[in-house]
Parts: sequence; C-alpha cells; structure tokens
Amino acid sequence: GEDVEQSLFLSVREGDSSVINCTYTDSSSTYLYWYKQEPGAGLQLLTYIFSNMDMKQDQRLTVLLNKKDKHLSLRIADTQTGDSAIYFCAERKDSSYKLIFGSGTRLLVRP
Amino acid sequence: DSGVTQTPKHLITATGQRVTLRCSPRSGDLSVYWYQQSLDQGLQFLIQYYNGEERAKGNILERFSAQQFPDLHSELNLSSLELGDSALYFCASSGGQAGNSPLHFGNGTRLTVT
Repeated sequence: GEDVEQSLFLSVREGDSSVINCTYTDSSSTYLYWYKQEPGAGLQLLTYIFSNMDMKQDQRLTVLLNKKDKHLSLRIADTQTGDSAIYFCAERKDSSYKLIFGSGTRLLVRP
Repeated sequence: DSGVTQTPKHLITATGQRVTLRCSPRSGDLSVYWYQQSLDQGLQFLIQYYNGEERAKGNILERFSAQQFPDLHSELNLSSLELGDSALYFCASSGGQAGNSPLHFGNGTRLTVT
C-alpha cells in the first residue's frame, strides 16, 4: 500500500542538530524526497535520495536511508531559526509518476 | 524561486461557482502535477499531465478537471464548488515522466469557498 508516516512535531534549540524521521511502506519505492514548506509558501525541494544509496550529504543536510526498515531520516546540523518550517518526506515508485507525501513534521527552532 | 508560476495567488468565491487555476511549468519541463493541500487531508495528488496528455489520476473529484495546453501550461478547473473545496492547490513540474526528475512546486493558489 501507499502510506508515508512522520511524527507531527519536533522542537530543538538553535545550534543543535535536528533529526526528522519518516517511514514508508512500499518497498518498491525508488526515490525518496524531502521538501520544506514555510508559512504561506510552496514546497521547496531540499534533497532526494535514490533507493540504492544509504546516505546523502548536502551541506548541513544529511539523509539516511534504511531500506530494510523502510526508514528515512533528515538530519539538519547547526539548526537555525530560519529552519523552522514543516518538513515533508515523499516517496515515488519508478513505475509511477506521483509523489506520496507524509503528513509533515513541524520543526520549531527555539532561540 | 522554483520557476513554477501559479495564478492567482488567492481566490475567494461562493459555493456553486466555477474557478480556473493556472500553472506555468519550469522552462523545459514536460510534466505538470496538481496537488491539493488541506488541513484534514494533507497533500493529495490530483492529476498529472505529460506533454499534453493525461498520465496519472489520483483523488480528483468528477467536478474537477484539468488540461495541459500545447505551450505546456496547465489549468485546473473546479466547478460546483463546495465549502470543503477550500484548500491550497499546488502545481508542480518535472522534466520527465518519472525516474529521477524531482518535482518543483509553485507557491500555490489559496482557494476560499464561502
């Protein structure tokens, strides 16, 4: 089936690392994405990972993929107040065209 | 800036009316996707077009329809509007039909049905 799950809320202190977790159910998913949505704005593509990779790093962002457990995480190093937003993970099967989104994790960064 | 343009940004209309939402994809992108974001349903995939043809259909109501024109812009038509249709409607585009071409989203059209 198609189901992507995320925790609803995460609060961290400025300068700490944030880890946002996501689980998906479809083992045939080939691409997994992280998007950021700030208030009143659209979805900004942050990063994505192909299913044959375990890890991808892009500046302060690190994506870890555990295919066995169907678990995806996004780590934000040195979290800043500007990182406060809703973060969505999404899966995509190569045979499909659409992205299936999780419900989003609201990240609050405290000064 | 994702390069995807949606108009209008805001739309307020009454129940029973019909509206048209417009989307211009990123330059060179052939695929256009429509999503609906509401508080209770989250982000729901509605429909996808590739180079003018419908490719995939999601949870799109029969009162809604879409099309992609030869210049690749797309329109989403919502008719017989109900209060529950109030939501953010996003358009996204990508370069290919599937594969590793990520979706880039516009800033959305906020529809309020009164």
